[in-house]
Amino acid sequence: NAGVTQTPKFQVLKTGQSMTLQCAQDMNHNSMYWYRQDPGMGLRLIYYSASEGTTDKGEVPNGYNVSRLNKREFSLRLESAAPSQTSVYFCATQGTGPAFFGQGTRLTVV
Amino acid sequence: QKEVEQNSGPLSVPEGAIASLNCTYSDRGSQSFFWYRQYSGKSPELIMFIYSNGDKEDGRFTAQLNKASQYVSLLIRDSQPSDSATYLCAVKRVGDYKLSFGAGTTVTVRA
Repeated sequence: NAGVTQTPKFQVLKTGQSMTLQCAQDMNHNSMYWYRQDPGMGLRLIYYSASEGTTDKGEVPNGYNVSRLNKREFSLRLESAAPSQTSVYFCATQGTGPAFFGQGTRLTVV
Repeated sequence: QKEVEQNSGPLSVPEGAIASLNCTYSDRGSQSFFWYRQYSGKSPELIMFIYSNGDKEDGRFTAQLNKASQYVSLLIRDSQPSDSATYLCAVKRVGDYKLSFGAGTTVTVRA
């Protein structure tokens, strides 16, 4: 039982490159989230999906797109990476109780 | 005003002492409250959740909720060096799907 699995764990991109961060859960939760965490800023919500087939913007959606592929998978795409998107990205899932987090992706844009 | 605010920290306590962490929230419609622990370089992990006014105890941890005053606190009794981490308060509002997080309080337990 893996819980919430994110790939990759580390990534270095050049400015302007694109990439997709993957998240998969086996907890049968309806809701899934993408957060970014920067020093001193706490966790900021990028996008979330309340259920399969729906997605909504969070606090900091600019520069990102998401896809809720099915109940298990929720991906985050950076179309044209910028240095300001250097951060640690966390995927989380939630049912009727607490949220549970993946192990994170440390992304550096140079 | 931020939705969720925590002690700015860092908080340094001696081993064996009680660490007290506070969190206030702005939306009176909030109904679910969570405390997460995050070690450096790791992901947040759930410590406790509380939904009703009063105290909830789990081992060395006690969460306290006061909805009238809009605060939730976490007490760590008999603090250990392994409790050194950043503690995140999270709040969920009625009818909302998302959690709002505070910036976190970093705790250091001195041996």
